[in-house]
Amino acid sequence: EVHFLESGGTLAQPGGSLRLSCAASGFILSGNGMSWVRQAPGKGLELVANSVYTGDTSYAESVKGRFTISRDESKNTLYLQMNSLRVEDTAVYYCSGHGGSSQWGQGTLVTVSS
Amino acid sequence: QAVVTQEPSLTVSPGGTVTLTCGSTTGAVTSGHYPYWIQQKPGQAPRTLIFDTSYKHSWTPARFSGSLLGGKPALTLSGAQPEDEADYYCLLSFGTTRLFGGGTKLTVL
Repeated sequence: EVHFLESGGTLAQPGGSLRLSCAASGFILSGNGMSWVRQAPGKGLELVANSVYTGDTSYAESVKGRFTISRDESKNTLYLQMNSLRVEDTAVYYCSGHGGSSQWGQGTLVTVSS
Repeated sequence: QAVVTQEPSLTVSPGGTVTLTCGSTTGAVTSGHYPYWIQQKPGQAPRTLIFDTSYKHSWTPARFSGSLLGGKPALTLSGAQPEDEADYYCLLSFGTTRLFGGGTKLTVL
């Protein structure tokens, strides 16, 4: 059974950095697409970063140049490096697979505030 | 950049049938946009009900089905149950980019 477990969310200062992790079990990251999705309080879902099976990546305009999606296949873990954090990055961050592995984790809360 | 559109809200009677749709400002949506339908109940993580237009996960209730109708992905709920009250999001792929719709709040009343 596929499971994703996010971690790394915490309180951060504007302009600061955080790295989120998504540990996968029952699933091999290599050759599979993965996404980071966030949900600000009371808002809808926003796809933040996407990594397709070819290795190509894409980002929401709101995070382009600040966030980087990557994976460590030896650890079967997906990452989201978040730099130059803004108050508007405050959200629950989820990782999710693609296609038949499109399960979701429970999310990790990132709060950006001074 | 494309914008993905959904009905903001819909209401269905218990036992009734309702169809949610999803559009793109770029034109007709095809299976090549790999439409997903994602359900989210209050206080819970999202879960994918339908992927790649019409494929279901093992946890997807049989009363949900996905299709393409008139150039738009559609999620049909036949025999609505009170527990189906939730927000439903459409997700489309545009090459390597993926975009969510704004979501449809479905009320079962």
